[in-house]
Amino acid sequence: ELKVEQNPLFLSMQEGKNYTIYCNYSTTSDRLYWYRQDPGKSLESLFVLLSNGAVKQEGRLMASLDTKARLSTLHITAAVHDLSATYFCAAGLSSGSARQLTFGSGTQLTVLP
Amino acid sequence: GAGVSQSPSNKVTEKGKDVELRCDPISGHTALYWYRQSLGQGLEFLIYFQGNSAPDKSGLPSDRFSAERTGGSVSTLTIQRTQQEDSAVYLCASSHLPYRDTEAFFGQGTRLTVV
Repeated sequence: ELKVEQNPLFLSMQEGKNYTIYCNYSTTSDRLYWYRQDPGKSLESLFVLLSNGAVKQEGRLMASLDTKARLSTLHITAAVHDLSATYFCAAGLSSGSARQLTFGSGTQLTVLP
Repeated sequence: GAGVSQSPSNKVTEKGKDVELRCDPISGHTALYWYRQSLGQGLEFLIYFQGNSAPDKSGLPSDRFSAERTGGSVSTLTIQRTQQEDSAVYLCASSHLPYRDTEAFFGQGTRLTVV
């Protein structure tokens, strides 16, 4: 069974600061996703990571994947208020037809002025 | 349509009633997922459809929950004899398999409240 753990679950940070959200998963996965969710909204896809060492960047967010450590990180650079949201990572497990995504519990990020 | 469409967006029902939630996936997407998100919680996998294969129902919490997908497109999630603990946002997602770099696109969800 694939398990995904995120930390921290809650994160308050000041504008302009840097921080990293961590996502650990328990078994071999061939896909790792990061999603953003604003309050009352659905999930918005941020990044898809498919191979060891993959790094993707969009604006102030950068995601990386280490398949050997079974770890993905989402790094926030010089945070701004607009980044306040809940961030989820999800790992995909391919076994037969069971290509379900397993989500972490989410990290609720609040960027303070 | 351009994205995953779910209906209704909100549903209030009395305990013990049956409800049906509908999901229209993105045209051409062969995979469809249902998830449940309780207030302040992460996503709980319910069921997964892939093409004509037998669905993965391993996440359905009880036999009161069922889902079908007609013609490989529209899906309906049915909850019978609803209970208060069924109150949650039910999210549907679709993806275009078998390409590996596919991602799942989510609908806006149906907020179910059982009173």
